[in-house]
Amino acid sequence: ILNVEQSPQSLHVQEGDSTNFTCSFPSSNFYALHWYRWETAKSPEALFVMTLNGDEKKKGRISATLNTKEGYSYLYIKGSQPEDSATYLCARNQGGKLIFGQGTELSVKP
Amino acid sequence: EPEVTQTPSHQVTQMGQEVILRCVPISNHLYFYWYRQILGQKVEFLVSFYNNEISEKSEIFDDQFSVERPDGSNFTLKIRSTKLEDSAMYFCASSVTSGGEDTQYFGPGTRLTVL
Repeated sequence: ILNVEQSPQSLHVQEGDSTNFTCSFPSSNFYALHWYRWETAKSPEALFVMTLNGDEKKKGRISATLNTKEGYSYLYIKGSQPEDSATYLCARNQGGKLIFGQGTELSVKP
Repeated sequence: EPEVTQTPSHQVTQMGQEVILRCVPISNHLYFYWYRQILGQKVEFLVSFYNNEISEKSEIFDDQFSVERPDGSNFTLKIRSTKLEDSAMYFCASSVTSGGEDTQYFGPGTRLTVL
């Protein structure tokens, strides 16, 4: 099992703040990294699948970067809104199964 | 937009009882998965399933667990004799392929409480 770690565990920001969190993973035999957004009582929502070193993907105010050589990915949220409050999960794809980090819980106060 | 559905949303059972958790994957998907999250811990892989066979299973997925696709739409996880430590949120997921770049779509989960 290859450990995936996320930091911070939780984050409290004010509406309008920009924020970022980190996902780190073993860089050997890398295939893909997935980001999900998970609100309580809802399905985890797929945000990005990243495969190439140097990849940068964007969805509205959310973007992510990938460094496969050093084994990390950053997720950025620009101008946080209360509706961005959720747990953000990253997962490394290992032969079809996903190995998850513990998540970063984001709370955005109006 | 197609989505993965799971029933029930919450299941309470007595230790030693059998439970069946049900999932309806997205209709054109071919690969199916079960994951679980024990409270306060990471989401962990249990099993993957393709072409009516288990593709891979984790150490957690012992003889007490089984999966089945009884018809063209449902995908079930059975726990034969539940233990207290089986209490967790169980997620079903599906994907078109098993490729690393392919998105796995998750259902909302079934919270299993074993008393």
